[in-house]
Amino acid sequence: DAGITQSPRHKVTETGTPVTLRCHQTENHRYMYWYRQDPGHGLRLIHYSYGVKDTDKGEVSDGYSVSRSKTEDFLLTLESATSSQTSVYFCAISESKRGGFSSYNEQFFGPGTRLTVL
Amino acid sequence: SQKIEQNSEALNIQEGKTATLTCNYTNYSPAYLQWYRQDPGRGPVFLLLIRENEKEKRKERLKVTFDTTLKQSLFHITASQPADSATYLCALSSGGYQKVTFGTGTKLQVIP
Repeated sequence: DAGITQSPRHKVTETGTPVTLRCHQTENHRYMYWYRQDPGHGLRLIHYSYGVKDTDKGEVSDGYSVSRSKTEDFLLTLESATSSQTSVYFCAISESKRGGFSSYNEQFFGPGTRLTVL
Repeated sequence: SQKIEQNSEALNIQEGKTATLTCNYTNYSPAYLQWYRQDPGRGPVFLLLIRENEKEKRKERLKVTFDTTLKQSLFHITASQPADSATYLCALSSGGYQKVTFGTGTKLQVIP
């Protein structure tokens, strides 16, 4: 999985509790992403980072926060977990490449974290 | 709003035939388009990338076309094998900050 690990791999928690998921990379890639994957919705971007301490919101950011204090680590926090946040969470990394008039990238994904909020 | 549609949720095909998967998009001007493969319980794996100024890209038994006029990409797997059974995701990006939008995927089943 291209030097990406996610922890924990599985977690069951109760509504209202805080949860932090960790993504760790050994590739020294600049960009890191958090997605959630749900049946019928596909992969949806939660937050992303374009450098240390540089983060921005994605499509479904409500209820989530992130932090990136080191190149290799990107943390996703659910401040107060709700049942609607039950999902599989994937971290991904990428590095910018130049081609023609635009930069482009492929993303490398971690193994995922299955989170269940009861 | 931007929308990506993959032709069907599931596609069954006989071994040895060519599988063709479709990705259509609206309200989007992507700089490039990617295809990923996802196996159950695992993260997506990158397969191919095609840029807006490219019509076709090949890699072994895989071929991708990109028609920006039709707003469509076709993904072909020739001489399909049972090991090709997986979910295939289409993804588009307009470039900036490397943000990518994914389709919901097509589950391909290759029948021996």
